[in-house]
Amino acid sequence: KNEVEQSPQNLTAQEGEFITINCSYSVGISALHWLQQHPGGGIVSLFMLSSGKKKHGRLIATINIQEKHSSLHITASHPRDSAVYICAVRLSNNNDMRFGAGTRLTVKP
Amino acid sequence: DTEVTQTPKHLVMGMTNKKSLKCEQHMGHRAMYWYKQKAKKPPELMFVYSYEKLSINESVPSRFSPECPNSSLLNLHLHALQPEDSALYLCASSQDRLGGLAAGGRIEQYFGPGTRLTVT
Repeated sequence: KNEVEQSPQNLTAQEGEFITINCSYSVGISALHWLQQHPGGGIVSLFMLSSGKKKHGRLIATINIQEKHSSLHITASHPRDSAVYICAVRLSNNNDMRFGAGTRLTVKP
Repeated sequence: DTEVTQTPKHLVMGMTNKKSLKCEQHMGHRAMYWYKQKAKKPPELMFVYSYEKLSINESVPSRFSPECPNSSLLNLHLHALQPEDSALYLCASSQDRLGGLAAGGRIEQYFGPGTRLTVT
């Protein structure tokens, strides 16, 4: 079993739909990251969470430390949101990262 | 400046070539990382440098040789690679390697755009 599990693996949505991507982890962490990777390859950090909820524009990220679960929500999705979204956790004993397999999101116009 | 830069963006090399990947950051970060990412897979950690010293080598073959000449630069020297080494190589940096709750959980890794390597 992977230390970080994401679901779904692939997600296709129509423009304007509300999207949720889930992440569960089984290790002790000090922070959880949501990352966005476009086809070109570079990774952009969207959020870093250690508790609660963060909002940036149409993106909302939540984390439940007790349940070891995080969600990334996109409201009013747009084709430019199409990318791979990766959940990554930072291990609590050092700064090393463990990555989920990613969720490939396609938003159709 | 919150940018990690990597050069080259693309690299094609033969199995007998010697080449180097470069990574640079000017955020004063003291930890730098090399990751390898195969298509449709998450990044895999290769090396971690902390205060210019190699602190983690995740059983990477010796045909990959990292070098940290100063706190802003990280190189990855490549020699006698195999076609299966073709991948996206990502560099990242963070303020410090050790952190966690004692540091308020504020340490974040910043990623470069990657070098797409093809070994022929």
